[in-house]
Amino acid sequence: NAGVTQTPKFQVLKTGQSMTLQCAQDMNHEYMSWYRQDPGMGLRLIHYSVGAGITDQGEVPNGYNVSRSTTEDFPLRLLSAAPSQTSVYFCASSHRREQFFGPGTRLTVL
Amino acid sequence: GIQVEQSPPDLILQEGANSTLRCNFSDSVNNLQWFHQNPWGQLINLFYIPSGTKQNGRLSATTVATERYSLLYISSSQTTDSGVYFCAVVPKGGSEKLVFGKGTKLTVNP
Repeated sequence: NAGVTQTPKFQVLKTGQSMTLQCAQDMNHEYMSWYRQDPGMGLRLIHYSVGAGITDQGEVPNGYNVSRSTTEDFPLRLLSAAPSQTSVYFCASSHRREQFFGPGTRLTVL
Repeated sequence: GIQVEQSPPDLILQEGANSTLRCNFSDSVNNLQWFHQNPWGQLINLFYIPSGTKQNGRLSATTVATERYSLLYISSSQTTDSGVYFCAVVPKGGSEKLVFGKGTKLTVNP
């Protein structure tokens, strides 16, 4: 099992650009989620999904969109990047309530 | 919403020393996990421990759910233990949405 994978590892964007952060898991987990981590803080939930076709907002959803067309994939879209979205983004999936995290994507918005 | 407080915020040890990290939470939980974020940013699952005691090598954890706290014990610390330790909980009735504390930054000096 590859576990939870994320691409890219690093990304630099200009203000106003759009991009998609990819997340995939091969463990057949129903629950997937996206978090962001800012300096000196724990992780905060952006969006989550309890299964294919079902998504919902977390604590900090503004500026981000998600969709879940398959069990394996849960992409995070930034439609118009802003400097406030500079952060490290983690994707996670869970089995019986224990969550497992991907390696993260470090995003800088100039 | 639920509050998760970790203490101490920073801890500096000499190699070989023991330490105890604490996590207090303000409401009942379905899940509690401890993670280690290594200096490369990777989040590593240490324990899934909504209640009781678990041990894994030099690390052990205890959660007393009725008193709303969890402790992480590190014995005979090594330089590779350095990093940030996060406690994260899923509130009762909160689906599987993890709420993170701000972490304890551990530095182990040789």
